[in-house]
Amino acid sequence: QQQVKQSPQSLIVQKGGISIINCAYENTAFDYFPWYQQFPGKGPALLIAIRPDVSEKKEGRFTISFNKSAKQFSLHIMDSQPGDSATYFCAASIGNFNKFYFGSGTKLNVKP
Amino acid sequence: NAGVMQNPRHLVRRRGQEARLRCSPMKGHSHVYWYRQLPEEGLKFMVYLQKENIIDESGMPKERFSAEFPKEGPSILRIQQVVRGDSAAYFCAAGLMNTEAFFGQGTRLTVV
Repeated sequence: QQQVKQSPQSLIVQKGGISIINCAYENTAFDYFPWYQQFPGKGPALLIAIRPDVSEKKEGRFTISFNKSAKQFSLHIMDSQPGDSATYFCAASIGNFNKFYFGSGTKLNVKP
Repeated sequence: NAGVMQNPRHLVRRRGQEARLRCSPMKGHSHVYWYRQLPEEGLKFMVYLQKENIIDESGMPKERFSAEFPKEGPSILRIQQVVRGDSAAYFCAAGLMNTEAFFGQGTRLTVV
């Protein structure tokens, strides 16, 4: 079964707009929630991550919002730019830093 | 990708042949994770290795797949008697214990 569910599958946003990608999980033992960015032909790269003891983390234009009771977390990209066009994956892990359960990905297209 | 090298980048094999995928971490990075990414899907954990040891192979198919990370040399993911369903991108991630592991650029395996 899929441990982390991600939506939407694809997203089109105008330059300067806000991109929002959502993920939901079932396993309450998850204790680390990263977001990865992947460009075509490249490997995923860590973008930002959060632990469940905080509700929000912001790094530049990227913010993770975390709702522990709802078992949901989301990525917000403010002032979206064409260079942000990529596939974004949410993930979760238990204890082991790098053994992840990945969401199915969101293909973001930021229109100029 | 913090120096994680994967080769070959592209590999074409006929059904029934063997595929060998190599992952060379940066010097000193002794933890390697292998993931498989099917088209339009997220990454799925396969195996976690430390030098000379398999730590967690819970994501490895029971047959035809094996992995190793010898004391010297790269980590190898080996797929025997490949079938069309093995066509995917295979990524390794490498790092130190309890720190972020960095992904390589992947090997795209095509079985014809």
